[in-house]
Amino acid sequence: DTGVSQDPRHKITKRGQNVTFRCDPISEHNRLYWYRQTLGQGPEFLTYFQNEAQLEKSRLLSDRFSAERPKGSFSTLEIQRTEQGDSAMYLCASSLVSGTANEKLFFGSGTQLSVL
Amino acid sequence: AQTVTQSQPEMSVQEAETVTLSCTYDTSENNYYLFWYKQPPSRQMILVIRQEAYKQQNATENRFSVNFQKAAKSFSLKISDSQLGDTAMYFCAFRGAGTASKLTFGTGTRLQVTL
Repeated sequence: DTGVSQDPRHKITKRGQNVTFRCDPISEHNRLYWYRQTLGQGPEFLTYFQNEAQLEKSRLLSDRFSAERPKGSFSTLEIQRTEQGDSAMYLCASSLVSGTANEKLFFGSGTQLSVL
Repeated sequence: AQTVTQSQPEMSVQEAETVTLSCTYDTSENNYYLFWYKQPPSRQMILVIRQEAYKQQNATENRFSVNFQKAAKSFSLKISDSQLGDTAMYFCAFRGAGTASKLTFGTGTRLQVTL
């Protein structure tokens, strides 16, 4: 068990470019979450998946953002036409849910995005 | 909507001493969960302790304990016998019951443990 992996660790891009981040959850974890953390703030929920189904999206997730989890394993988060306001750390977390409320999230180390 | 407030941006404590980090929250729900997460420079959020609102007994995990005051909507974290490795950002978080882990976080408290 290597934990939740996120790639890349850092990404610098120019405004208007598209970027894609990847998250590999802990093996067999059925839930996967994306959070965004801006400087000086706590993480904010963006979206989550139960297996391959995207069950909820925050209002923070504008139409420039899209997330997928095609086979219920890894997930990608794509931002199109990046803006400077997208600069943040994007955190992924996973959990194994088996019908109880005792869910524990395991976080990755995040992808730090800087939009110039 | 729920809100979580951490009013101490920074705290400092000497090694082996005890420190308490404050957190208040606002919600209209009766059933919910509260958490303290630690975020070291490695950036990975690590769960420190959790509390179910329906439990009156305060949660403890080794050197970490909470003071949960449901009526006052207060949830403070006490770290006993502070260690250098406790240096990190600490975030208080709220989750409604019956929902997925859509956590609402506070703005964090930066804790520095000194020699």
